[in-house]
Amino acid sequence: EIVMTQSPATLSVSPGERATLSCRASQSVSSNLAWYQHKPGQAPRLLIYGASTRATGIPARFSGSGSGTEFTLTISSLQSEDFAVYYCQQYNKWPLFTFGPGTKVDIK
Amino acid sequence: EVQLVQSGAEVKKPGESLKISCKAFGDSFTNYWIAWVRQMPGKGLEWMGIIYPGDSDTRYSPSFQGQVTISVDKSISTAYLQWTSLKASDTAIYYCARHVGVDRRDGYDYYFDPWGQGTLVTVSS
Repeated sequence: EIVMTQSPATLSVSPGERATLSCRASQSVSSNLAWYQHKPGQAPRLLIYGASTRATGIPARFSGSGSGTEFTLTISSLQSEDFAVYYCQQYNKWPLFTFGPGTKVDIK
Repeated sequence: EVQLVQSGAEVKKPGESLKISCKAFGDSFTNYWIAWVRQMPGKGLEWMGIIYPGDSDTRYSPSFQGQVTISVDKSISTAYLQWTSLKASDTAIYYCARHVGVDRRDGYDYYFDPWGQGTLVTVSS
């Protein structure tokens, strides 16, 4: 089973600042990684797939990078609506999917 | 554009059965897999399983195999998640989501999009 870890667990950022979230896989998942945003009381929202491809309608301030076991989600200039929990999810071997534990981005 | 609408919150007692639903609007229901994802209180997302409405092909996460049943009624574009005997540890929010596969040069990208609004299941004596 591929285990996903994310760091930090909580990231405190001021609006307008850059946020860098990390995701690590216990073994290589190539570029088979997606990122989701989840706000309380709402449905999760797909941000990135293929490690770096933005989903339809996702603002350019969200970018993904990495391959193999190390991945990064960068939010270039945090907006108020970006404070949420972010999950990475690997899909290297269909149909076995695992999510990371999440990184909460909150207001500094 | 597809929209997934889930059934309402449920409060059940341990040992009771339950079936929650996820109805798709606006797109061809039989062309995409539907996934179920659990979020226990204060915890992260866990993938439970997927079903292909076209032929009811179902795949479960090893963690949920035998614990729940995923089914579908394609005539009404609805997927289901059911339990025969609930436990307190089944208390969670359950989300359905469309599971999409996108062809790329060296394989496929898979993701969950869009998601339903979630169904809160509370199991308590």
